[in-house]
Amino acid sequence: AQSVTQPDIHITVSEGASLELRCNYSYGATPYLFWYVQSPGQGLQLLLKYFSGDTLVQGIKGFEAEFKRSQSSFNLRKPSVHWSDAAEYFCAVGSLNAGNNRKLIWGLGTSLAVNP
Amino acid sequence: DAGVTQSPTHLIKTRGQQVTLRCSPKSGHDTVSWYQQALGQGPQFIFQYYEEEERQRGNFPDRFSGHQYPNYSSELNVNALLLGDSALYLCASTGTPIDEQYFGPGTRLTVT
Repeated sequence: AQSVTQPDIHITVSEGASLELRCNYSYGATPYLFWYVQSPGQGLQLLLKYFSGDTLVQGIKGFEAEFKRSQSSFNLRKPSVHWSDAAEYFCAVGSLNAGNNRKLIWGLGTSLAVNP
Repeated sequence: DAGVTQSPTHLIKTRGQQVTLRCSPKSGHDTVSWYQQALGQGPQFIFQYYEEEERQRGNFPDRFSGHQYPNYSSELNVNALLLGDSALYLCASTGTPIDEQYFGPGTRLTVT
């Protein structure tokens, strides 16, 4: 079955500390992977995406993620967290081989809190 | 270039009523997907429209229906509202070639 797992429901870090949010997926086809961020009461904003090529992708706001096919993972990282990074983070996976089918499978999200 | 727009922003309905939510996709996008996001949960896929047809559907009852117009805008209709239908309803659009889904700000539906 297709699924996305974000093992950490809630993470708290101190401002300036490094961050890693985990994402594991189970997907039969060639995946394409996304990280989205959602601030309270807001819609979803794309942080970064992986379609092919270099497995380390850079996104907005200083975020990066690494695709590891052998581990079926796509973890999100940031070297130094800012208070404004406090939000809900979602990992999602879709298929590159599904023609015009753009359905995404979503994780349940990781809530990030940042201590001053 | 306007992004994905949704209306209304907020909506309060009573159990048993019907509701229609609207979405205009990003310019040049032809595929619209609808998601339901309950409080504290990730988005759940409702259905996707392409070329005015429902192409794929998630695990939602027939009370949830939709429509796509020739200009690619879309509607989500929910009949016989239940308290459990209270959620943020997100619309996302996609173009070709393969691209990420662009999300609207959502419509917050409260059923009392």
